This record gives sequence, structure tokens and C-alpha cells, in this order.
Amino acid sequence: EPEVTQTPSHQVTQMGQEVILRCVPISNHLYFYWYRQILGQKVEFLVSFYNNEISEKSEIFDDQFSVERPDGSNFTLKIRSTKLEDSAMYFCASSLAGDFVDEQFFGPGTRLTVL
Amino acid sequence: AQSVTQPDIHITVSEGASLELRCNYSYGATPYLFWYVQSPGQGLQLLLKYFSGDTLVQGIKGFEAEFKRSQSSFNLRKPSVHWSDAAEYFCAVGALGGATNKLIFGTGTLLAVQP
Repeated sequence: EPEVTQTPSHQVTQMGQEVILRCVPISNHLYFYWYRQILGQKVEFLVSFYNNEISEKSEIFDDQFSVERPDGSNFTLKIRSTKLEDSAMYFCASSLAGDFVDEQFFGPGTRLTVL
Repeated sequence: AQSVTQPDIHITVSEGASLELRCNYSYGATPYLFWYVQSPGQGLQLLLKYFSGDTLVQGIKGFEAEFKRSQSSFNLRKPSVHWSDAAEYFCAVGALGGATNKLIFGTGTLLAVQP
């Protein structure tokens, strides 16, 4: 069964460093998402991406964040200068369509720890 | 603003016992409602969803949920829990808007199953 994969499973970085979180969505999907969950808090929407551009972003998704689909298979989330409060589990998701009729499939997450 | 509340952070049930996980939502229109499950090391997996129609929804793994508009609730139930059901369960509401739609999650309920 096709699945969304994410690498690495755990990333430790120093404050101020850049990190890139990688996701491989399901191959025929067209819509891509990043969510995050700070420990003990809700899973929060960060950004959605369709047709090589951002469709919607939350207020969390500031200028420090960027997304890219560099090669038609990967979908990346970059944090330019990490802060302590960026420590969280980051989930990538993909769907065939942008409405809820088609399920959003989630990856297992990348746990980011900023020291 | 849309929101989801899962009042129980952690629940322990005995194997074979019945289960009910609570979810309350706040949404202006008829909501799109979802339950996801996350097992350790796995992505979020969709258990079931409600869009319209019959308020009792059947899902995978023997789960069901009932939409009650008057109570703004969408509680998840299972008549007899198996040890493999131990996982974290997330309730979510779908927020419509723009080219893509996003999920708004609760904080999750961690289910432990005693033998």
C-alpha cells in the first residue's frame, strides 16, 4: 500500500541552524501539507502546497519557513534559523484532491529537537 | 474560530472492555469530522470521517463514531478493545477555504490497554 515517508525520523540541531525536513508523498497525489505538534499541544496546520505554490499558510509559517518540491517526488520543509520553540514533531501529508472527499495521508513524522 | 477539544489526555481500559473517546468541536457550519489514530512509529491513519447523512459512522478496525450536533460532539467508540488498539487518537475538524482545506486537530487521547 502506498505511504508517505519522512526523513529523518529524528533531527537534533543547534539554535540558529538551518534544517530541512524531507517528505516523499504518495506518487499520484497533488496536494501536500505540513503540520506540526509541539509536545503536549495540538497538531497544528502549517502550510498547504499545490501546483508548485503555497495554497495556504498559517500564522506560524513565517519567513523562517519555506517549502519546496524540488524534483517532483520530494516535498521539503526548510527552517532557516531554528529557535527553541521550533522543537516539535513535524508531519507531512498528501492527498489526491484538495477537498475532504479524498483522505489526507500522513507520514510518521520527524521529531525536531532544537538545543 | 474552529477548534477541537479532546478532554481526556490519557485513558486506560482493559482488553475486551468497551471504549469511548470524547471529542467536542466548534465550527460555524456543518462540520467535516475525522478520527485519526497514530501507533508508535507510524503516521496518522484515518479511522473514519463524517460529512453528512447518517450520524453514526462506521470506520476501520471496528470503530464507530456518532455525530451529535446538539452537543457539538463526535465521540469515538469500540465495543471491545484489543491490545493492538493501544495508540494515540486524534479528533479533527476540516476547515474549508481556498484551494485546499486543512485539518484542525485536538490534542489527542493516549489509549493504554491492560491485559
